Amino acid sequence: RKEVEQDPGPFNVPEGATVAFNCTYSNSASQSFFWYRQDCRKEPKLLMSVYSSGNEDGRFTAQLNRASQYISLLIRDSKLSDSATYLCVVNGVGAGTASKLTFGTGTRLQVTL
Amino acid sequence: DTGVSQNPRHKITKRGQNVTFRCDPISEHNRLYWYRQTLGQGPEFLTYFQNEAQLEKSRLLSDRFSAERPKGSFSTLEIQRTEQGDSAMYLCASSSSGTGSVYTFGSGTRLTVV
Repeated sequence: RKEVEQDPGPFNVPEGATVAFNCTYSNSASQSFFWYRQDCRKEPKLLMSVYSSGNEDGRFTAQLNRASQYISLLIRDSKLSDSATYLCVVNGVGAGTASKLTFGTGTRLQVTL
Repeated sequence: DTGVSQNPRHKITKRGQNVTFRCDPISEHNRLYWYRQTLGQGPEFLTYFQNEAQLEKSRLLSDRFSAERPKGSFSTLEIQRTEQGDSAMYLCASSSSGTGSVYTFGSGTRLTVV
């Protein structure tokens, strides 16, 4: 089983739509969770951290369910500029690995007119 | 520019040649990571330094790969006797102890082995 699993997509949605991405992780002891955004042929950039209580940043809402080992990202009112790959990211566990991040394969989003 | 800098941006090499990439992290960051990314995949962890100490090395990293961070500042990643399967984007990231899991990535070095 992969450490972090995501549906690779692509998700094709019209502008203005709401879209949700899901991710599962295998290590129940993981402590930190993130969503990174990666544009085509560019480096990944931190989109937002994911907190246990859920958190929102503008049109983006992230949720964490520790019991189910499940992370989600909701994008409301999609913009053309949201088109990118969204990477689900979990920190490593164990001595010396607490800051090592493990990335999912990414979910590709294409927002269309 | 205070971001993470990687050189070269692109490298085309013949199979069997050695290549070396350089990464200059954000100066205040004591942690440095190398990742490899192939098309359609997320970044895969290769190795990690805290200051000059190499604390972890992935099983993905064969003996042909070596990384150094001699003075705890810039790092180099060398691949010896390159193979076509080494073609990928090599990403470097840095972070600080205080914000350990928040990475800043460089733009990457795209390696093509022909």
